[in-house]
Amino acid sequence: DSGVTQTPKHLITATGQRVTLRCSPRSGDLSVYWYQQSLDQGLQFLIQYYNGEERAKGNILERFSAQQFPDLHSELNLSSLELGDSALYFCASSVSGLAGESTGELFFGEGSRLTVL
Amino acid sequence: ILNVEQSPQSLHVQEGDSTNFTCSFPSSNFYALHWYRWETAKSPEALFVMTLNGDEKKKGRISATLNTKEGYSYLYIKGSQPEDSATYLCAFFPGGYQKVTFGTGTKLQVIP
Repeated sequence: DSGVTQTPKHLITATGQRVTLRCSPRSGDLSVYWYQQSLDQGLQFLIQYYNGEERAKGNILERFSAQQFPDLHSELNLSSLELGDSALYFCASSVSGLAGESTGELFFGEGSRLTVL
Repeated sequence: ILNVEQSPQSLHVQEGDSTNFTCSFPSSNFYALHWYRWETAKSPEALFVMTLNGDEKKKGRISATLNTKEGYSYLYIKGSQPEDSATYLCAFFPGGYQKVTFGTGTKLQVIP
């Protein structure tokens, strides 16, 4: 158990709908990352938050948005869903912060599997 | 844009063979290099976190080396077993608030 909790584990929805994926990082971790893994693909970086602020953005679609709340949990919102959005969405957390405080090691949740029909 | 490259992309070996893979990363602004094992239907888990040039880490039959001056790391598996079948990811961390950048991974299949 990595200490990172993702909900829901599985989600089936229809095209055009909107879903929210939730991530609770490990206790004490300030940095949260979101990744997408489509069929047989690697990890595609979506976005990173540190202590509530967006720190880095990858190839995240405009239909997708995320935020990190004061209690450090994060949500990934996916809207106007398309068939191609079907994927496994991972959240990972890390201590991060000032140099010397962390090696940046990531701890991954079990993922949320989204199926768009 | 940080470039983290891994080779080979995939590898099939017989049980009992030893194997190794390469990760190359920027030699500037280095803080840490991570190796993760990602088994099918699971999430990635860190194998090693390496910070010092010349570092060598070992866990059972798996070991890793680090050369920060030339920007590469090797992962070695001695006497591969079917349970070693997984994708092995390396990741570069420049430190501070900056993000971790992953390579595309090496997919290893060990044939019994």
